[in-house]
Amino acid sequence: NAGVTQTPKFRILKIGQSMTLQCAQDMNHNYMYWYRQDPGMGLKLIYYSVGAGITDKGEVPNGYNVSRSTTEDFPLRLELAAPSQTSVYFCASSRTSGGELTGELFFGEGSRLTVL
Amino acid sequence: KNQVEQSPQSLIILEGKNCTLQCNYTVSPFSNLRWYKQDTGRGPVSLTIMTFSENTKSNGRYTATLDADTKQSSLHITASQLSDSASYICVVSEAGTASKLTFGTGTRLQVTL
Repeated sequence: NAGVTQTPKFRILKIGQSMTLQCAQDMNHNYMYWYRQDPGMGLKLIYYSVGAGITDKGEVPNGYNVSRSTTEDFPLRLELAAPSQTSVYFCASSRTSGGELTGELFFGEGSRLTVL
Repeated sequence: KNQVEQSPQSLIILEGKNCTLQCNYTVSPFSNLRWYKQDTGRGPVSLTIMTFSENTKSNGRYTATLDADTKQSSLHITASQLSDSASYICVVSEAGTASKLTFGTGTRLQVTL
């Protein structure tokens, strides 16, 4: 079982470039999330999805887009990269019960993005 | 606004010693509280979950407590090992929605010889 797989692990972008961070999970979890982690800060939710075809904004969605065409995949798109998007990005998945997040979050290994 | 505050921000202890990490929260309505361990360069991994009715729960050398009245939780690590060096993150879930998780900023623990 691979769990949650993120690619790439590291990437350097120039200001204004675009890229997609890939995330895939093989646990058949219905909920998936993208977080960013800045130094000394707690994880901030960018976007989440409660199932294929359904996505919603989190706390810090500006500058990002997502799609969820399948249960397994949840890519995060950065358009017109800015230095403020330099961060470590974590994808996570979870199975809920009764509509509440009682299951644990399973995180990927992270993608470290630097925008210069 | 929901908040989760952790203390101390960082901690250095000798191998074999015990330590306690604190988590205070204002999340309401409360669903559950999880402690995660995050090794350097890795994603967080869940250690334990505390629900409203639980006061204490152990996972090996890790013991978590919850006081839902004062909205405080602690994570006690017994007989620390070098492999315990990591960040420990407290995450509180708000009842009723899968997106409402509030993360603490973590306590950075370093265990030395």
